[in-house]
Amino acid sequence: DAKTTQPTSMDCAEGRAANLPCNHSTISGNEYVYWYRQIHSQGPQYIIHGLKNNETNEMASLIITEDRKSSTLILPHATLRDTAVYYCIVRVNTGNQFYFGTGTSLTVIP
Amino acid sequence: DAGVIQSPRHEVTEMGQEVTLRCKPISGHNSLFWYRQTMMRGLELLIYFNNNVPIDDSGMPEDRFSAKMPNASFSTLKIQPSEPRDSAVYFCASSPVGQGIDEQYFGPGTRLTVT
Repeated sequence: DAKTTQPTSMDCAEGRAANLPCNHSTISGNEYVYWYRQIHSQGPQYIIHGLKNNETNEMASLIITEDRKSSTLILPHATLRDTAVYYCIVRVNTGNQFYFGTGTSLTVIP
Repeated sequence: DAGVIQSPRHEVTEMGQEVTLRCKPISGHNSLFWYRQTMMRGLELLIYFNNNVPIDDSGMPEDRFSAKMPNASFSTLKIQPSEPRDSAVYFCASSPVGQGIDEQYFGPGTRLTVT
C-alpha cells in the first residue's frame, strides 16, 4: 500500500516549471514524504524528502501543505532529461520499507 | 564511489534452472534492499537487510526465492527453480541507515528473462 495518490501522467514544456502533485491524506505525524524518479531502463533515483517544512535542493523543491495531506514536487526548469516516472512515497514509521506505487509519468516536450 | 553494483545486467534462462543475482552495496551503507519490477505489479520490495541480517522478507513471493547477505559488501538473490512468471527487472538498493539519511541508492538492475 503506497498510501499516496498521483496523476498517471503529465506533460511539461521544456524550460517551464513542472509541478507534480501528490495526495497522502492518511499520513501519520512522524511519516516523511519522499520523492524518487525512474528514468527509462534505470534504477530509481532519490530526489528530495520532507516532514513538515518546504525543502529545496539542487534538483527540486518540495512543497508540503500545512495539514500535510498533500505535497507538490517542483522542477523549476524542466529539461528533456527530466522525462521519467516520478514516485511520491510516504515512508512507514517502522523499518525502512519504501512502497513505490504507480507514480506519475512526466514527459517534457521540446 | 562506483555506486551499487549488480550482476549480471541481463540473464536469460530456461524454466527450471537456478538463477543467482548478485549485488554489491555502496561501502559504508548498513541496509540493503531487493526489489522486483514488472509492468503488471510495478516496483515491489522483496526483502531487506540491516547490518547483514534479514529484517523483513514478507515480500518474497514464495519458497523458490531466497536471499543472503554473508557480509557487508555482498548479497545474493536466488531463484530455484525459475519460472516464466519470474521474468522481471530486479533491483538492489543500499541505504546509510543510522546516519540520518534515509534515501536509497539503486543499482542499474538485472533484467531476468525465463523462457
